[in-house]
Amino acid sequence: AQSVTQLDSHVSVSEGTPVLLRCNYSSSYSPSLFWYVQHPNKGLQLLLKYTSAATLVKGINGFEAEFKKSETSFHLTKPSAHMSDAAEYFCVVRKVDDYKLSFGAGTTVTVRA
Amino acid sequence: DAGVTQSPTHLIKTRGQHVTLRCSPISGHKSVSWYQQVLGQGPQFIFQYYEKEERGRGNFPDRFSARQFPNYSSELNVNALLLGDSALYLCASRLTGGHREGNEQFFGPGTRLTVL
Repeated sequence: AQSVTQLDSHVSVSEGTPVLLRCNYSSSYSPSLFWYVQHPNKGLQLLLKYTSAATLVKGINGFEAEFKKSETSFHLTKPSAHMSDAAEYFCVVRKVDDYKLSFGAGTTVTVRA
Repeated sequence: DAGVTQSPTHLIKTRGQHVTLRCSPISGHKSVSWYQQVLGQGPQFIFQYYEKEERGRGNFPDRFSARQFPNYSSELNVNALLLGDSALYLCASRLTGGHREGNEQFFGPGTRLTVL
């Protein structure tokens, strides 16, 4: 079975400082990994995805994530946080030949002015 | 272009009642999936439909059912509502039911169901 663990339920950063959201995955097969963002009263938006190509994946809005197989991690980073980054972030895994997405519990990001 | 649309946006029901939630996929998308997101948790997979057939089901009781129509829109039905069914119900659409590159899921804004 596929699963993800988001290591921080809440992250608070100052505007302009780096953001790090940590995610470890468990998968019996080579997985596809995703990060989604959910703003209040909005649908889930795909930030980026890893599908066995480059291990460093660049996404929208300046976010990127690095797939580390040896550490079974897929941490999300952004060099400089913006107030609009305040939202809920989900790390998601999908088995390569499957359709079902398995979500982590989420990390709430707050950005201080 | 219209994204995935869901109706209603909010709904309040009482225990034991029945509810129907609706989803219209992105134009041209033939696969619809449903997810339940309880407050404070990540979404949980309920169903996937492709070409009007159920292609997958999550760990949910038989009180949950769904169907997909010829125009690829979908309904999620929940019978005998329980307090624990209170959640945000998300619909996602994909181009097809396969797994090839680019066939990602696009989510709607969800329907917030409150069971009293």
